[in-house]
Amino acid sequence: AQSVSQHNHHVILSEAASLELGCNYSYGGTVNLFWYVQYPGQHLQLLLKYFSGDPLVKGIKGFEAEFIKSKFSFNLRKPSVQWSDTAEYFCAVNGGNDYKLSFGAGTTVTVRA
Amino acid sequence: KAGVTQTPRYLIKTRGQQVTLSCSPISGHRSVSWYQQTPGQGLQFLFEYFSETQRNKGNFPGRFSGRQFSNSRSEMNVSTLELGDSALYLCASSLQGSPDTQYFGPGTRLTVL
Repeated sequence: AQSVSQHNHHVILSEAASLELGCNYSYGGTVNLFWYVQYPGQHLQLLLKYFSGDPLVKGIKGFEAEFIKSKFSFNLRKPSVQWSDTAEYFCAVNGGNDYKLSFGAGTTVTVRA
Repeated sequence: KAGVTQTPRYLIKTRGQQVTLSCSPISGHRSVSWYQQTPGQGLQFLFEYFSETQRNKGNFPGRFSGRQFSNSRSEMNVSTLELGDSALYLCASSLQGSPDTQYFGPGTRLTVL
């Protein structure tokens, strides 16, 4: 069965600090990988996704993620966070054609001004 | 283009009752997925429908059921409600289903007393 683990439950940063959120997955076959974000009071929305090709993917709002197949990881990064990046971040995995997303537990990121 | 809409947004029920939640996908999207979000379990996949057919189902009891209509709108039903069913129920739509990007609605907040 697929599983997704996110390393940090809550991260607190100051503005302009760098952010890295860890995500590891367990799945034996081809995977598609996603990071979703939920800003306070808003819907879940897609930050970025990886299907194939360049393992370094860029998303919205300056976020990027790197897929390392040998480590079953898909870590999210942002070089310099802003107060508006305060949100909950979810890593998700889709395995082949199973038509579902398996989510990690989420990481709450608080950015202090 | 209008986003995914869910009705009602809030619902309060008592144990033993049943409830029906509705989801209208983005126009042109034929896949609808449902997820349950709770503080303890996070985001868990309930089921996915495409062209009125259920293609995948998560590990939930048979009290949880769903259907999709010919216009792609979807409903989910929970019978014999339990306290533990209190959650945010999210609907997501996509063109063909995962791994296509899933667009989430605002959710229905169900409280079971």
